[in-house]
Amino acid sequence: QLQLQESGPGLVKPSETLSLTCTVSGGSISSSSYYWGWIRQPPGKGLEWIGSIYYSGSTYYNPSLKSRVTISVDTSKNQFSLKLSSVTAADTAVYYCARLWQQLADDAFDIWGQGTMVTVSS
Amino acid sequence: SSELTQDPAVSVALGQTVRITCQGDSLRSYYASWYQQKPGQAPVLVIYGKNNRPSGIPDRFSGSSSGNTASLTITGAQAEDEADYYCNSRDSSGNHLEVFGTGTKVTVL
Repeated sequence: QLQLQESGPGLVKPSETLSLTCTVSGGSISSSSYYWGWIRQPPGKGLEWIGSIYYSGSTYYNPSLKSRVTISVDTSKNQFSLKLSSVTAADTAVYYCARLWQQLADDAFDIWGQGTMVTVSS
Repeated sequence: SSELTQDPAVSVALGQTVRITCQGDSLRSYYASWYQQKPGQAPVLVIYGKNNRPSGIPDRFSGSSSGNTASLTITGAQAEDEADYYCNSRDSSGNHLEVFGTGTKVTVL
């Protein structure tokens, strides 16, 4: 069965770039039926969609983060990645990767990674 | 961009029925999906589309929609249903952007 696993540093300094990778196992990231997304959750707060990518490389970003976010895909490694630049303490959160199923009027993040905590601190 | 608003908290007696609502303009065009999140765990999809449950989700979970409001109903709530619940839909712009609701804490008494 398909599984997603986030990886990357758990501590990032202010003003630096947060980099995370999501490895997809048990299935292909190149499936035409799905997009792949990043979602974050600050401690004690709700979920925030960061952005999504299609295997072809098409990207879609949350307008509030767009100037700082880059999502990329490496189909040869079955991975997709997140880069968030100029981080501050407000970017401290659990970061999740997830598979996104999008149809005509119907979207769902149907499979999630376990999440990885990233703290922004000097 | 769109916003999805949920009541912060609701409570339900064991075995009774609770409805969680999600309001937003995007719901006039797109279905909501619903996620259950327990402390320290990743969210789990419980309802998507018109009223579809992924494999393994109990049939006490159901979804509905009317106008700008989507609802998740738990019929016969169990102790294990105590969790945070989030709705999600495509942004009203339709440009493959996504939005999550503010979340509802469900307490089973």
